[in-house]
Amino acid sequence: DGGITQSPKYLFRKEGQNVTLSCEQNLNHDAMYWYRQDPGQGLRLIYYSQIVNDFQKGDIAEGYSVSREKKESFPLTVTSAQKNPTAFYLCASSISDRSPSTEAFFGQGTRLTVV
Amino acid sequence: AQSVTQLGSHVSVSEGALVLLRCNYSSSVPPYLFWYVQYPNQGLQLLLKYTSAATLVKGINGFEAEFKKSETSFHLTKPSAHMSDAAEYFCAGKTSYDKVIFGPGTSLSVIP
Repeated sequence: DGGITQSPKYLFRKEGQNVTLSCEQNLNHDAMYWYRQDPGQGLRLIYYSQIVNDFQKGDIAEGYSVSREKKESFPLTVTSAQKNPTAFYLCASSISDRSPSTEAFFGQGTRLTVV
Repeated sequence: AQSVTQLGSHVSVSEGALVLLRCNYSSSVPPYLFWYVQYPNQGLQLLLKYTSAATLVKGINGFEAEFKKSETSFHLTKPSAHMSDAAEYFCAGKTSYDKVIFGPGTSLSVIP
């Protein structure tokens, strides 16, 4: 079955630690995205990638980093510089960012909690 | 720049009643519009999308939406609510020039 896999589903981090959230897709999509979801605020774009080895900052990139070394993978690192990292993180992909009529496909999300 | 607004952060309906979730957009160019549903602690799933082929769009689970350019609206409706419809619903828009923009979401409760 094609889809997007995010792992882990739940993640706990101590203050000051970096953590990496995994996102893998087998849909052969060029574009991939990371969103942060907080209660009552909808989805906010962190980073996106239109093609391998290229990515751009979204609206709230500070304190986060990404890489896109393979088409299938787009890991997100939450660094210690992110002051309020507790949130629900969603990874998504679409066929191409340059095709506006195509929808995004979402993973099941990772809930990150700082302890 | 475009924007997407959803009137009502929370909507409650009785089981069997009409569901109406409102979405308005602002865009200087014709947008592509989407409705997604999110169940607790899960990702988003596409309900339907408008791509200019037809103004009335039918989606999954009995939902449909009508694009009204004069009202800049894309409201989501379902004739008869089921308990399983209780979820968060997001309207989203995209143009050829911008990234997809999500509305703030509407939480739907269904009362038995």
